Amino acid sequence: SQQGEEDPQALSIQEGENATMNCSYKTSINNLQWYRQNSGRGLVHLILIRSNEREKHSGRLRVTLDTSKKSSSLLITASRAADTASYFCATREGSSNTGKLIFGQGTTLQVKP
Amino acid sequence: DAGVIQSPRHEVTEMGQEVTLRCKPISGHDYLFWYRQTMMRGLELLIYFNNNVPIDDSGMPEDRFSAKMPNASFSTLKIQPSEPRDSAVYFCASSFGLGGAGYTFGSGTRLTVV
Repeated sequence: SQQGEEDPQALSIQEGENATMNCSYKTSINNLQWYRQNSGRGLVHLILIRSNEREKHSGRLRVTLDTSKKSSSLLITASRAADTASYFCATREGSSNTGKLIFGQGTTLQVKP
Repeated sequence: DAGVIQSPRHEVTEMGQEVTLRCKPISGHDYLFWYRQTMMRGLELLIYFNNNVPIDDSGMPEDRFSAKMPNASFSTLKIQPSEPRDSAVYFCASSFGLGGAGYTFGSGTRLTVV
């Protein structure tokens, strides 16, 4: 079953604009991760935020986590055509030391040059 | 490191045939995961191993699916007999622990069962 749900399902913006994707989940978590998938390729890990963190930055990426609302957001600033991809959030349940990383359905981002 | 290596990249087979997908994880990684991706169901975790031992296979759809990890550098996912509904992209991923580096995915095997 899917733990995370991304919103929107699809997003189209112009190069240089910011892109914001949201993720909601259902159960308590140990950490939340964001991945990128280019068409026809495997997933690439972008960033991990732990349940006791509220915000994290990596280059043009900014991730926030609100455990009270069970939600996270991924912001890509100054987007580039190369950012065109699908973005997935993934969560690991916090109650056990499990390797189960459950992925959402993803947001498809198109950045127009 | 060459990353997680999967073979073949594409596989087309007839219904009823046996299919074997292969994965070489990153050297030193102690966890290995098999995922399946379809448009309808998204990414599903099928099974994962820790130090070559299967830990959780609750995602394996049915007895037609089996996975092995005979050593730290090789794993297989076998489907016998295959059915059209098994058509999907199958990903292998590996990680060192369950900490902060995330999982490294292979490029996947696109399986088509006709």
